[in-house]
Amino acid sequence: DQQVKQNSPSLSVQEGRISILNCDYTNSMFDYFLWYKKYPAEGPTFLISISSIKDKNEDGRFTVFLNKSAKHLSLHIVPSQPGDSAVYFCAGFYNFNKFYFGSGTKLNVKP
Amino acid sequence: DAGITQSPRHKVTETGTPVTLRCHQTENHRYMYWYRQDPGHGLRLIHYSYGVKDTDKGEVSDGYSVSRSKTEDFLLTLESATSSQTSVYFCAISGDSFSTNEKLFFGSGTQLSVL
Repeated sequence: DQQVKQNSPSLSVQEGRISILNCDYTNSMFDYFLWYKKYPAEGPTFLISISSIKDKNEDGRFTVFLNKSAKHLSLHIVPSQPGDSAVYFCAGFYNFNKFYFGSGTKLNVKP
Repeated sequence: DAGITQSPRHKVTETGTPVTLRCHQTENHRYMYWYRQDPGHGLRLIHYSYGVKDTDKGEVSDGYSVSRSKTEDFLLTLESATSSQTSVYFCAISGDSFSTNEKLFFGSGTQLSVL
């Protein structure tokens, strides 16, 4: 039973516009949520995280929003750049060593 | 970048043969993990370790075993490989301290093909 779900397998946006990637979860025990970015033939790399006690975290062009009542989080990328084209995984974390990942969303930013 | 080395990077093997993948870290992190990545499934945890000789099963552990005899090395073994184990395998590590505990650092992956 998937605890973290990314229902959009792919997303295509124009360069300079906003990209919004969505994630839903079922486990109320998650302490943190993380977003990872993955390029082909490379391992995933950490992008941004948010504590479950916050509703927003911002780092440059990347902002993650958390809606605990809806068990939903989203990653906003503004403005989107061609170099942002990658697969994005969202993950929930609790109990020091439990990380659960979604199935990923492939973002394509068109020049 | 976290010091994680996976070997081999690519492997082709035949059904029924044993396969061992190696993960080596230089960060002295306590936790080590093996994930597999498959289309439509994302990253799924196979096994993880919380210390030397301390391991536990993840979501998709059937057909896999692991060993950790040293802090820096975590081995994943497919005792008798099957075509369903064709996948990309990622090793990951995480630390104990508050600043690193909530982050997982990944290796570059091993592409395994079972024919």
